[in-house]
Amino acid sequence: QSALTQPASVSGSPGQSITISCTGTSSDVGSYNLVSWYQQHPGKAPKLMIYEVSKRPSGVSNRFSGSKSGNTASLTISGLQAEDEADYYCCSYAGSRVFGGGTKLTVL
Amino acid sequence: QVQLVQSGAEVKKPGASVKVSCKVSGYTLTELSMHWVRQAPGKGLEWMGGFDPEDGETIYAQKFQGRVTMTEDTSTDTAYMELSSLRSEDTAVYYCASTVTTSFDYWGQGTLVTVSS
Repeated sequence: QSALTQPASVSGSPGQSITISCTGTSSDVGSYNLVSWYQQHPGKAPKLMIYEVSKRPSGVSNRFSGSKSGNTASLTISGLQAEDEADYYCCSYAGSRVFGGGTKLTVL
Repeated sequence: QVQLVQSGAEVKKPGASVKVSCKVSGYTLTELSMHWVRQAPGKGLEWMGGFDPEDGETIYAQKFQGRVTMTEDTSTDTAYMELSSLRSEDTAVYYCASTVTTSFDYWGQGTLVTVSS
């Protein structure tokens, strides 16, 4: 199972919106509405931000949203804040589980 | 609220085995599906394996098959991950992560395993 493809880095200014893509195949992202997104700050454990493509766990800001089209899922963060600066990982169910390579978000 | 507390850091020699524990509180282990994810220094997350409730079995990533064993002690609500034939490339932080929804809702704090001669 190959890793999902994410951009290595994205950046944005406070208040702006950014989108992180996550490209898989018809065997993983394209076949299941079971894509999740995780936020990881340095030295910390990952935190679930989005599950089942677009659902937000309780306590996660509504500035975070998810979507999917074909074999590509996306995470959008609106109204960027300094605290959003972190690494973000997508993950898809595919019988097993597969993560993306991660995207470093820099808030300028 | 689920809490996962992992065992402490380990230093192992190449060829040895390591066993990491993950104690569950707030839920019982039977109410969760437990998975293990690792992260090498400066690298991304890598799924190692976990319990598939559809099949009722633990499945392992192909990369680790034959070298990893994941077990559970429901009497103490503790999950274990044992990795054998360690090599330097296995140096990483190992996380347990549980699913209540279909995703990794809760994570342990991580256990650093260092493989060095």
